[in-house]
Amino acid sequence: GAVVSQHPSWVICKSGTSVKIECRSLDFQATTMFWYRQFPKQSLMLMATSNEGSKATYEQGVEKDKFLINHASLTLSTLTVTSAHPEDSSFYICSARTRDKALQETQYFGPGTRLLVL
Amino acid sequence: DAKTTQPNSMESNEEEPVHLPCNHSTISGTDYIHWYRQLPSQGPEYVIHGLTSNVNNRMASLAIAEDRKSSTLILHRATLRDAAVYYCILRSRREKLTFGTGTRLTIIP
Repeated sequence: GAVVSQHPSWVICKSGTSVKIECRSLDFQATTMFWYRQFPKQSLMLMATSNEGSKATYEQGVEKDKFLINHASLTLSTLTVTSAHPEDSSFYICSARTRDKALQETQYFGPGTRLLVL
Repeated sequence: DAKTTQPNSMESNEEEPVHLPCNHSTISGTDYIHWYRQLPSQGPEYVIHGLTSNVNNRMASLAIAEDRKSSTLILHRATLRDAAVYYCILRSRREKLTFGTGTRLTIIP
């Protein structure tokens, strides 16, 4: 149980285009989903937190107009990188927090999406 | 956020136990101690978490000091597949997970 999927697993795009990444909790409902970014040889950095049906909360320094987050249901969140540039190339990882209080609301992570902007 | 301190790297021989330390001297009473690991090119994987008592699951054991200012993740018999970066993270309920630099564990065949 507690599986989180991401699609696509990798994407290559031209500079200036937009890329959408999907994150799904497959076997549980997630009250909250998180989006992280990880550059090579660095740790994960939280970009934003989203709750189903409400606007995302962005971390300091993350442009909300560039990284659009939609959390349409308890099992799906999307991250759209708008007008992508080479510096947006990174490993994007989503995470979903279970509502199950018995699991103390553990966070589970997706496998990540590697984005390369040419 | 209460911070954790972990060694940057550790090595262990295959099929031997591994003890990964974590110091968290500023831990608050509501902080859970979480451990995640990240294999190369993958998202983090939940390992174990606890509050005060030692915890065991199929992946590992978590030993928590009586004063809760430190903890140790124990892999009972390391395999090559356990080579990863291990993150010790403090989190109060409903808060977000904030990652530090973790410990890079290398398993020697």
